[in-house]
Amino acid sequence: QVQLVESGGGVVQPGRSLRLSCAASGFSFSSFGIHWVRQAPGKGLEWVSVISYDGNEKYYADSVKGRFIISRDNSKNTLYLQMNTLRAEDTAVYFCARDMGRLDFDLWGRGTLVTVSS
Amino acid sequence: QSALTQPPSASGSPGQSVTISCTGTSSDVGGYNYVSWYQQHPGKAPKLMIFEVSKRPSGVPDRFSGSKSGNTASLTVSGLQAEDEADYYCSSYGGSNKFGVFGSGTKVTVL
Repeated sequence: QVQLVESGGGVVQPGRSLRLSCAASGFSFSSFGIHWVRQAPGKGLEWVSVISYDGNEKYYADSVKGRFIISRDNSKNTLYLQMNTLRAEDTAVYFCARDMGRLDFDLWGRGTLVTVSS
Repeated sequence: QSALTQPPSASGSPGQSVTISCTGTSSDVGGYNYVSWYQQHPGKAPKLMIFEVSKRPSGVPDRFSGSKSGNTASLTVSGLQAEDEADYYCSSYGGSNKFGVFGSGTKVTVL
């Protein structure tokens, strides 16, 4: 079954760290760029980060640059997002999404909720 | 990265058409033919409806169409159906400096 499954969300205090995972199955994971997109409660979609198919290119939104690190392990068909120095405004559902080209997200996970609160 | 500008809401009766605009700049929407549109129902992941301005993925009805003029892209839904009621988001590639940006979102109501 072609799918992406996120995990690792939860409640974390401001300033702490959390690592999200996105497990892929049913397709050639190492052939696609993969993105993280988030959605704060009741708000719109926000692009967060992307990693190229081979992991050599990475880009970040200004709002997370210097705090978040995207990585992938193609041998495990898994994408990661290391989130450091978390802030209340990072509270959101985090989706991973497969890119067909340039932000053409044809496959999405169901998302994992991250809540940053003391 | 500022979000692309969309109207907060749009509506139409069943069978009618509705058009949603998505306004950016020459650095994103106007600079590349990489505008996509997503449909999102409450509590669900977004679904790709249009990519590369006007292309439809397999399985998306031809009632959905996309276009672009200058810095503004548009999504038109013709022959509105009850199941089209959802939030719609545009996105655009912004080059290596900005890479990705989404629109602010439009809630479509079928009257």
